[in-house]
Amino acid sequence: DGGITQSPKYLFRKEGQNVTLSCEQNLNHDAMYWYRQDPGQGLRLIYYSQIVNDFQKGDIAEGYSVSREKKESFPLTVTSAQKNPTAFYLCASSTNLNRGDEQFFGPGTRLTVL
Amino acid sequence: GDSVTQMEGPVTLSEEAFLTINCTYTATGYPSLFWYVQYPGEGLQLLLKATKADDKGSNKGFEATYRKETTSFHLEKGSVQVSDSAVYFCALSDPSLGGANSKLTFGKGITLSVRP
Repeated sequence: DGGITQSPKYLFRKEGQNVTLSCEQNLNHDAMYWYRQDPGQGLRLIYYSQIVNDFQKGDIAEGYSVSREKKESFPLTVTSAQKNPTAFYLCASSTNLNRGDEQFFGPGTRLTVL
Repeated sequence: GDSVTQMEGPVTLSEEAFLTINCTYTATGYPSLFWYVQYPGEGLQLLLKATKADDKGSNKGFEATYRKETTSFHLEKGSVQVSDSAVYFCALSDPSLGGANSKLTFGKGITLSVRP
């Protein structure tokens, strides 16, 4: 079955540590995205990528970094510079960023900073 | 810039009640409009979409019509079930802007609870 996988489902981090969230898709989609979801605030875009080796900052990129070395993979690193990292993180993909196609979402990773 | 406004929640209904969730948008071009649903502890799933004015998206008994004159995309269902309890997000994508501005813009979401 085609889809998007995210791991781990739950992640705990101590303050000052960097952590990397995994996102893999086998839908052959060109575009991939990372969102952050906080209670009552909807989804906010962190980073997105239209093609391999290219990515752009979204609305709240500070304290985060990404890479896109393979079409299927778009890992997100939450760095120690992110002041309030506790949130639910969602990865998504779509066929073509410019045509307004729908995005397909992974199951999410819940990050908690201890 | 583009924006999506959803009605304030949460919404609590009895089973078999009629549901309307309001969504209005602001966009510079001709956006595609979406409703996504999120069940507890899960990612978002596409519920329905419409890509041009007067289109009606429908799925699982839910419907929404793209109204350009009122810039709205209200979600309706004639008879809700307990299993419809979830968070519902309205979103738009404006492909006419191209490039970096074609990303999805989401509303804040509304929580629906359906009691037996």
